[in-house]
Amino acid sequence: GAVVSQHPSRVICKSGTSVKIECRSLDFQATTMFWYRQFPKQSLMLMATSNEGSKATYEQGVEKDKFLINHASLTLSTLTVTSAHPEDSSFYICSARPSGELYEQYFGPGTRLTVT
Amino acid sequence: GDSVTQMEGPVTLSEEAFLTINCTYTATGYPSLFWYVQYPGEGLQLLLKATKADDKGSNKGFEATYRKETTSFHLEKGSVQVSDSAVYFCALRGASGSRLTFGEGTQLTVNP
Repeated sequence: GAVVSQHPSRVICKSGTSVKIECRSLDFQATTMFWYRQFPKQSLMLMATSNEGSKATYEQGVEKDKFLINHASLTLSTLTVTSAHPEDSSFYICSARPSGELYEQYFGPGTRLTVT
Repeated sequence: GDSVTQMEGPVTLSEEAFLTINCTYTATGYPSLFWYVQYPGEGLQLLLKATKADDKGSNKGFEATYRKETTSFHLEKGSVQVSDSAVYFCALRGASGSRLTFGEGTQLTVNP
């Protein structure tokens, strides 16, 4: 149980285009989902916390107009990278917290984004 | 703010060798401490955790002890296997919230 999927696992896009990444909790409902970014040989950096049915909370320094987060259902959150640039190339990881739990998080396998 | 510092990798060991991956932290209050493991192509999985000083977390032969006096949570395993090859992340959750702060990750490769 407690499986989180991400789609796509890898994506290559051209500079200036937008890319959507999906995060799904497959066997549980998640009121809260988290989006992280990981640069090579660096730690996971929390980008934003999304709560179903409300606006996401972004970490300091993360542009909310560039990284659009939607959490429209209890099993799906999406991250859209708008007008992508090469510096947005990174590994994006989501996690989901089961509804009713205070602290537990289950992580997805990540999405490798390359912007050319 | 909270921070976690991990031993730099990559680490390469032979099967049955002893493993230590160092982790130290900076946090106010009494954080909870975690080790996560990421196998190739998979998501992070919780390996073990400790929620108070002197607690020892253990799982699958791995152990780590919460040392408040040295602000450390070093990961150890007495005899590694090829299947332990993965990236290991040390993390903390501050006393005041639910956010996780991660270390840089340590790539472990175990050769037969």
